[in-house]
Amino acid sequence: DIQLTQSPSFLSASVGDRVTITCRASQDISGYLVWYQQRPGKAPKLLIYAASTLQSGVPSRFSGSGSGTEFTLTISSLQPEDFATYYCQQVNIYPLTFGPGTKVDIK
Amino acid sequence: EVQVVESGGGLVQPGGSLRLSCATSGFIFSDHYMDWVRQAPGKGLEWVGRTRNKANSYTTEYAASVKGRFAISRDDSKNSLYLQMNSLKTEDTAVYYCARGLTVGPRVYHDYWGQGTLVTVSS
Repeated sequence: DIQLTQSPSFLSASVGDRVTITCRASQDISGYLVWYQQRPGKAPKLLIYAASTLQSGVPSRFSGSGSGTEFTLTISSLQPEDFATYYCQQVNIYPLTFGPGTKVDIK
Repeated sequence: EVQVVESGGGLVQPGGSLRLSCATSGFIFSDHYMDWVRQAPGKGLEWVGRTRNKANSYTTEYAASVKGRFAISRDDSKNSLYLQMNSLKTEDTAVYYCARGLTVGPRVYHDYWGQGTLVTVSS
């Protein structure tokens, strides 16, 4: 199975900060990586697919990049509603796998 | 408006069975792959399995942790997805989400999710 690691696992930031989360895959997954946001008690929300394509309706402050084994999610200016947990997922090979998550908290 | 609504969760004893349902509306259900994803309390997300659409013969894929115990099915006439869970273990305790597959090129992404239904396996 493809293992995904995320760093950091937790970060504390302020409104307006630029935030970057990294996801690393244990083997090449080309560009088949997804980013989700999950607020407490809610279902995950699709933010970015195919590593860098912004899902319809998602604010442009979110962006994704990378290919192969290293990927990043960037939030250019953190907003109050962005405090949540972020997961990456690879959809290249079965079984589909998720990263362990990065919790973004208020400083 | 796309809607995805899970139901059927509850408390079940180890070794027991449970069937989850996922009712959908607002899109052409028969065109889409559909997945189940679960989340144990306080833990991360785990993909459970997938059913492909009619064009791909309704074939299925499963995570190793549930293969042989869980079965995914669908009824396109009812716009519904199902998860039959047998031989349940305490480690199957989780919120189970139904997710619609968005096909982009050669891959499928989960673009709409239900609110989840909680399954608790305990004696």
